[in-house]
Amino acid sequence: DADVTQTPRNRITKTGKRIMLECSQTKGHDRMYWYRQDPGLGLRLIYYSFDVKDINKGEISDGYSVSRQAQAKFSLSLESAIPNQTALYFCATSDLTGTQPQHFGDGTRLSIL
Amino acid sequence: KQEVTQIPAALSVPEGENLVLNCSFTDSAIYNLQWFRQDPGKGLTSLLLIQSSQREQTSGRLNASLDKSSGRSTLYIAASQPGDSATYLCAVKPISSGSARQLTFGSGTQLTVLP
Repeated sequence: DADVTQTPRNRITKTGKRIMLECSQTKGHDRMYWYRQDPGLGLRLIYYSFDVKDINKGEISDGYSVSRQAQAKFSLSLESAIPNQTALYFCATSDLTGTQPQHFGDGTRLSIL
Repeated sequence: KQEVTQIPAALSVPEGENLVLNCSFTDSAIYNLQWFRQDPGKGLTSLLLIQSSQREQTSGRLNASLDKSSGRSTLYIAASQPGDSATYLCAVKPISSGSARQLTFGSGTQLTVLP
């Protein structure tokens, strides 16, 4: 089984809909991250969390919200989806030191019509 | 603000060639630099992590170098194979605070190794 699992893997929805992307991990890591990837661009950080009580905005947090339900679960919500949020979304985890490589899920491909 | 650039955006080579992928960054104040591999439909897999105090790291046919003063890193792949075909991304972890202390990614080099 994958260490970092993202659901759903693919989603097509309409403008204005509320969407939740979920991430769960079995690595026992404290730190979790949400990124988005657009064609021709690198990954950009949306939100990150260092533990259940710690949530931080990343570079591009506008239009998104997150919830850290447990150490192993970190969800990303789009309250009212818009077409320019169409992208590939990745969840990642890392250990407490933050000095070791992050471990990534396989991504969620989100299309907003 | 840290910016990471990878050139070329795409590269195609015949099998067996040795090749170099380039990564440059604008702010030399970094904790580490990482190289990742991304396969279609998959997430990123870490290949090599170089701490700021190190000059290079090796894993199998891969060798990554870091020159902080010039803001450059290279990923050398020896004796390339079709299975090496993927997108390669570099990312730096700046010495900063808050969200700026998180990884900053380049846009990647898409490598195709032809049989």
